[in-house]
Amino acid sequence: DTGVSQDPRHKITKRGQNVTFRCDPISEHNRLYWYRQTLGQGPEFLTYFQNEAQLEKSRLLSDRFSAERPKGSFSTLEIQRTEQGDSAMYLCASSLTGLDNEQFFGPGTRLTVL
Amino acid sequence: GDSVTQMEGPVTLSEEAFLTINCTYTATGYPSLFWYVQYPGEGLQLLLKATKADDKGSNKGFEATYRKETTSFHLEKGSVQVSDSAVYFCALSEDYGQNFVFGPGTRLSVLP
Repeated sequence: DTGVSQDPRHKITKRGQNVTFRCDPISEHNRLYWYRQTLGQGPEFLTYFQNEAQLEKSRLLSDRFSAERPKGSFSTLEIQRTEQGDSAMYLCASSLTGLDNEQFFGPGTRLTVL
Repeated sequence: GDSVTQMEGPVTLSEEAFLTINCTYTATGYPSLFWYVQYPGEGLQLLLKATKADDKGSNKGFEATYRKETTSFHLEKGSVQVSDSAVYFCALSEDYGQNFVFGPGTRLSVLP
């Protein structure tokens, strides 16, 4: 396993459309995180899973956003009725459970909403 | 809430110059502190970390010391290389690595 992968790397959509992103974590990692990064800013935490359970969600995650990790492996992040303000880089990271475990980041999916 | 402030970029240096990127933080507790680096086209990578006051993190010639009295975690390198060109993010975590608060990033360009 060479690391965290994300698909697609780039997505251009029209306002009002739904989009779905996929993240494949490092295989033995049971924690998976989603972040959003806008231009010139650092990543902002959105949500995280331990195995298939979604343990925390940021207030940034509006009702139009939903994330799943059905089998505790890959995860999807869906944005419904996209808005121009959703344009950002969406980052996924994974880690082992417990203290002192590094988060490994994927390359991100860049979303552009026209 | 917690926050991280970094010096604004871009920072442009010549090869072999000394690098300092300032980072200060505000936190309610006693966070762990991190520097992440993002090379062009790649994901964020952990560069170094420190988990308590006066700890020094180091990696690849970079160093940063956790200064509780000044709430700072400045990144330094004695001699930068062109390959160090990247965006550097300072971050903190109150619960070691579960929830990060990142700074806005500082872009470094090193010229040959």
